[in-house]
Amino acid sequence: GAVVSQHPSRVICKSGTSVKIECRSLDFQATTMFWYRQFPKQSLMLMATSNEGSKATYEQGVEKDKFLINHASLTLSTLTVTSAHPEDSSFYICSARGKTSGSYNEQFFGPGTRLTVL
Amino acid sequence: TQLLEQSPQFLSIQEGENLTVYCNSSSVFSSLQWYRQEPGEGPVLLVTVVTGGEVKKLKRLTFQFGDARKDSSLHITAAQTGDTGLYLCAGADGKLIFGTGTRLQVFP
Repeated sequence: GAVVSQHPSRVICKSGTSVKIECRSLDFQATTMFWYRQFPKQSLMLMATSNEGSKATYEQGVEKDKFLINHASLTLSTLTVTSAHPEDSSFYICSARGKTSGSYNEQFFGPGTRLTVL
Repeated sequence: TQLLEQSPQFLSIQEGENLTVYCNSSSVFSSLQWYRQEPGEGPVLLVTVVTGGEVKKLKRLTFQFGDARKDSSLHITAAQTGDTGLYLCAGADGKLIFGTGTRLQVFP
């Protein structure tokens, strides 16, 4: 299947700093990328959907000025957590869907990024 | 807001036992997927069901999609320790909405 990578896999930062997480589709063109957040022992919550070259669509309750999403190319999307605080500590997972995805518009998931804000 | 409730939330069983996980919603989905997630990793797709009433088998795992395409079940026969993990259903309707999750622990 298609491969999606995330970088970094783990990041620790101080409160008030910004952190950028990259999501790449390695062997296909991702027309749509999704960003999820997962708190310990909970399920994945969709944060936003981004289409290449367009502004991201954020889910209700997700601050677009705090979680900046850029999808500038068909293989790369970035999520920047601005002015991070301890409550932003979470597991961030991206997924990608492309033109060559399966019949059911399958999404391929990255391995996740563990963010810890001190 | 579409919600997918899974039950049970937690399940702790011994190897060899059978179990069923349920995924229920008040919304109709065009398709429903089941994932398994290991700690610190992204979810891995197990199966996609599309047609109401559809049954799919993946070795010891049997997946069923409800006739009305609002609910689904996952049945595991003769559970093994390797089945331990977080099982997530996800309804597809333009985007994936994940269920609340079922954490399965299989003891030897």
